[in-house]
Amino acid sequence: DVKVTQSSRYLVKRTGEKVFLECVQDMDHENMFWYRQDPGLGLRLIYFSYDVKMKEKGDIPEGYSVSREKKERFSLILESASTNQTSMYLCASSLLAGSYNEQFFGPGTRLTVL
Amino acid sequence: DAKTTQPTSMDCAEGRAANLPCNHSTISGNEYVYWYRQIHSQGPQYIIHGLKNNETNEMASLIITEDRKSSTLILPHATLRDTAVYYCIVRATYNFNKFYFGSGTKLNVKP
Repeated sequence: DVKVTQSSRYLVKRTGEKVFLECVQDMDHENMFWYRQDPGLGLRLIYFSYDVKMKEKGDIPEGYSVSREKKERFSLILESASTNQTSMYLCASSLLAGSYNEQFFGPGTRLTVL
Repeated sequence: DAKTTQPTSMDCAEGRAANLPCNHSTISGNEYVYWYRQIHSQGPQYIIHGLKNNETNEMASLIITEDRKSSTLILPHATLRDTAVYYCIVRATYNFNKFYFGSGTKLNVKP
């Protein structure tokens, strides 16, 4: 069974803290993605990676960075957390780019920044 | 990518078929129609996708109109566990990273 796991389901941090969200997939997928989900705004793409050490900005990369040192792991970093980064963060993975590549999502991390 | 329009919510009786509509009137020839669902507090789950032919898998059927401007997801025998938000997404084959999840349809399956 395919699996995408995220390091925490719930996280509470203070303004200004550095926050690491970890995502691991066991499907040997090339592509990995980070989204945030907010009420009324749907899912918005933050960053994605199509290979180890490769990354591309999504629609809302400001305030975030990412790291992909190994194929199975994709980390999202909030260098200095702010209250407007309170959100649900979803990680996903997929096979190589192509017309049929469904994305497999993790369970999500609900981050609250106080 | 083309945007989609879905009803905000729908009700369905347990054991009956749930038919979820989606309008994508600006869809272009190279865009596929995908359906995902999201059960409360979980990540989205892939259901089915299609280009122009009707598709069926173990979870659902997808009916796409001949002009491709709309589609319907059919859950043949809805159960309480099918209560979720259902997202209809259109995406170009070259835009592998771009999944635009709108607001979706909240399907309430009632006993």
